[in-house]
Amino acid sequence: NAGVTQTPKFQVLKTGQSMTLQCAQDMNHEYMSWYRQDPGMGLRLIHYSVGAGITDQGEVPNGYNVSRSTTEDFPLRLLSAAPSQTSVYFCASNQGDNLNTGELFFGEGSRLTVL
Amino acid sequence: GQNIDQPTEMTATEGAIVQINCTYQTSGFNGLFWYQQHAGEAPTFLSYNVLDGLEEKGRFSSFLSRSKGYSYLLLKELQMKDSASYLCAVVDSNYQLIWGAGTKLIIKP
Repeated sequence: NAGVTQTPKFQVLKTGQSMTLQCAQDMNHEYMSWYRQDPGMGLRLIHYSVGAGITDQGEVPNGYNVSRSTTEDFPLRLLSAAPSQTSVYFCASNQGDNLNTGELFFGEGSRLTVL
Repeated sequence: GQNIDQPTEMTATEGAIVQINCTYQTSGFNGLFWYQQHAGEAPTFLSYNVLDGLEEKGRFSSFLSRSKGYSYLLLKELQMKDSASYLCAVVDSNYQLIWGAGTKLIIKP
């Protein structure tokens, strides 16, 4: 059972570079989301999707883009990396289209450093 | 604003019992989650409470009081593998998750 798969696990970028974090799930989940986790803070929602073709902004969307062309995939794009985007990024999915329906399944995380 | 409060760090002894508290002030309430996160790993689901009372699941129990905006996670018969961060998260009226910063639990032999 693959669950939620994120790549890459580690990445170092220079300021101004762009990159895409990949996320795929094989559980046919409607809800997918991207979080960032920083020391001393709770997980913060970047973007989320309640189904293919539907995306919406979370708490901290600036500097990030997403798309949801299929149920399985939900890539996160950093348009022009900044040191403030140094963080650990988690992709997560949920069976329903809202969070009242049970647990989130997380990917293993992507540790991004922007120099 | 919305806020979740948890102690930053707790220490307990192997074999003992520990209670991790979580208080919340959110715009509406549609449930509360507890997740476990080992260092360098992803969070994993422990429990979900939407009604008042105690939910027991093996060595772990979770309690909720909606009127007090309060929950706790109770871990019994502590094992070294329980050393981890424990995250409290509340589903608000817009069905978004509000996360606490987590409680780092250190287990000593």
